Amino acid sequence: DTEVTQTPKHLVMGMTNKKSLKCEQHMGHRAMYWYKQKAKKPPELMFVYSYEKLSINESVPSRFSPECPNSSLLNLHLHALQPEDSALYLCASSQGFRAYEQYFGPGTRLTVT
Amino acid sequence: AQTVTQSQPEMSVQEAETVTLSCTYDTSENNYYLFWYKQPPSRQMILVIRQEAYKQQNATENRFSVNFQKAAKSFSLKISDSQLGDTAMYFCAFMTSRDDKIIFGKGTRLHILP
Repeated sequence: DTEVTQTPKHLVMGMTNKKSLKCEQHMGHRAMYWYKQKAKKPPELMFVYSYEKLSINESVPSRFSPECPNSSLLNLHLHALQPEDSALYLCASSQGFRAYEQYFGPGTRLTVT
Repeated sequence: AQTVTQSQPEMSVQEAETVTLSCTYDTSENNYYLFWYKQPPSRQMILVIRQEAYKQQNATENRFSVNFQKAAKSFSLKISDSQLGDTAMYFCAFMTSRDDKIIFGKGTRLHILP
């Protein structure tokens, strides 16, 4: 089973809202990732968790707040977003932190109004 | 700095034809990994093929194969007997054994025409 699931599939939120994106994997992977992807562009790395600890923050604005409650679950909390934050948010996981291929979820299409 | 270059922004081929997508990369590392990812329109990104730099044999997955030229730092993807379902954005990606993250190319949008 190489499945990474993400909820919700679509999300529309106002600039004053607070919402959360959820990602789950049951492959026993120890690294999990958040990416932001704009149309026709490659994914841009936002955060990396390795063994449930934040390993990389790619200078992401604080209006994005990641959380890794356990090894299978990854959340991205959103608050006071801007319209330019509208994008596809992808979650991925890999067996280990380095030198392993990443498996992607289907993404959450976020629209900020 | 490590870079991945995909020189073909967009390609179109007829169904059943063979198509080759180009990818070059730049690194001073000796141990690294190369990937091709496929992202169909509005669908999930999936791993197509993986190549370890220390392996001389080119990786193959059914109709997908790579031509890995380490000295030239080239990693092209060949799709044989192309099918309509191969229509997608294809990303070449690179990671060293010491890196924390995958570096993606800008992608090649491939259209398979009926």
